[in-house]
Amino acid sequence: DGGITQSPKYLFRKEGQNVTLSCEQNLNHDAMYWYRQDPGQGLRLIYYSQIVNDFQKGDIAEGYSVSREKKESFPLTVTSAQKNPTAFYLCASSPLLRDGYTFGSGTRLTVV
Amino acid sequence: KNEVEQSPQNLTAQEGEFITINCSYSVGISALHWLQQHPGGGIVSLFMLSSGKKKHGGLIATINIQEKHSSLHITASHPRDSAVYICAVSPLIQGAQKLVFGQGTRLTINP
Repeated sequence: DGGITQSPKYLFRKEGQNVTLSCEQNLNHDAMYWYRQDPGQGLRLIYYSQIVNDFQKGDIAEGYSVSREKKESFPLTVTSAQKNPTAFYLCASSPLLRDGYTFGSGTRLTVV
Repeated sequence: KNEVEQSPQNLTAQEGEFITINCSYSVGISALHWLQQHPGGGIVSLFMLSSGKKKHGGLIATINIQEKHSSLHITASHPRDSAVYICAVSPLIQGAQKLVFGQGTRLTINP
């Protein structure tokens, strides 16, 4: 079955360390997205990519970096510059010219 | 003011009750999405609407583009419907289908 795989489901890191969250899709979707979810708030867009080797900042990109070397993969790195990295991170993908938004199961990151 | 507002924020009901969750938005959109998030965190897409009404099982979603309003109805609620329901819109912009999300409605159905 096609879908999005995020790993790991839970991640713990010490303050000051960079950490990379994985997102892989086998839906042949062109666009991929990273969202952050905090308690009591709606999801907010971190980065998105419409095509391989290209990506754009979302609303809250500071302290994050991404790459899109393959169509199937869109990893997110949470750097030590991110002031409040503890959150739930969701990856999503969609076709560009038609509808079909698909979400991953999320990664809960805790920085101690 | 958020571009997407949901009401109520929390809702508790008894099994079998008819449930309505509302979503209002302030921007021009190409589509509106209703999503379901269970306690584990993963999100499932329930409906995508650009006009009219859609139905799946006991779920009905309606949208009024002129009034910028959508509703999600659960016709005969069950404890397994307990989840957070999220409204999201696709603004009329070029490029990727970035979504703008409401804060979610936490629904609890008691047996």
